[in-house]
Amino acid sequence: DTAVSQTPKYLVTQMGNDKSIKCEQNLGHDTMYWYKQDSKKFLKIMFSYNNKELIINETVPNRFSPKSPDKAHLNLHINSLELGDSAVYFCASSHWGSYNEQFFGPGTRLTVL
Amino acid sequence: AQTVTQSQPEMSVQEAETVTLSCTYDTSESNYYLFWYKQPPSRQMILVIRQEAYKQQNATENRFSVNFQKAAKSFSLKISDSQLGDTAMYFCAFGGGNEKLTFGTGTRLTIIP
Repeated sequence: DTAVSQTPKYLVTQMGNDKSIKCEQNLGHDTMYWYKQDSKKFLKIMFSYNNKELIINETVPNRFSPKSPDKAHLNLHINSLELGDSAVYFCASSHWGSYNEQFFGPGTRLTVL
Repeated sequence: AQTVTQSQPEMSVQEAETVTLSCTYDTSESNYYLFWYKQPPSRQMILVIRQEAYKQQNATENRFSVNFQKAAKSFSLKISDSQLGDTAMYFCAFGGGNEKLTFGTGTRLTIIP
């Protein structure tokens, strides 16, 4: 039983294209997150949603647009992809509250050529 | 804003030995939570251990324990009887009132057979 799943796991695309990454959790959590891990392994939060409402938006370019159709899903759409967008993107979920463990998905490795 | 510093980019230790990974943080908050996450080569992020700042007792999870020094803002992870499966990137993370995790830059730990 997969707790937090992401699709696709690998994504290779050309500069300028638009792509989406999907995330789903079956843990009954009310909060979901997107993180970006760069080539140096630095992990930084991008967005968080609580009950489908945007809570955190960490100065991410507006080419990145998260969408939460329901509490179990948080998708990430990226327009006009740039070389610097190449990274591993992690989805995570938790119950609301900073003390709660965040459960991470397997990550999506995005490569922009 | 919170900052998390891991001053050891890489460490290696012989199997069965004990190793300590360092983490310091900076915050003006009085109530917060600290975490160690592990990222093995599979890329999956896994929670190792969690510490509530208001608890003086150090958290332990089997072979993993922390040394939490609140006044010094230090949160080190000790791995006893290290095993080959402990080989991974280890990230220290801070969870405060803004409902997000701030990660350190990670320590790459290699267990040598």
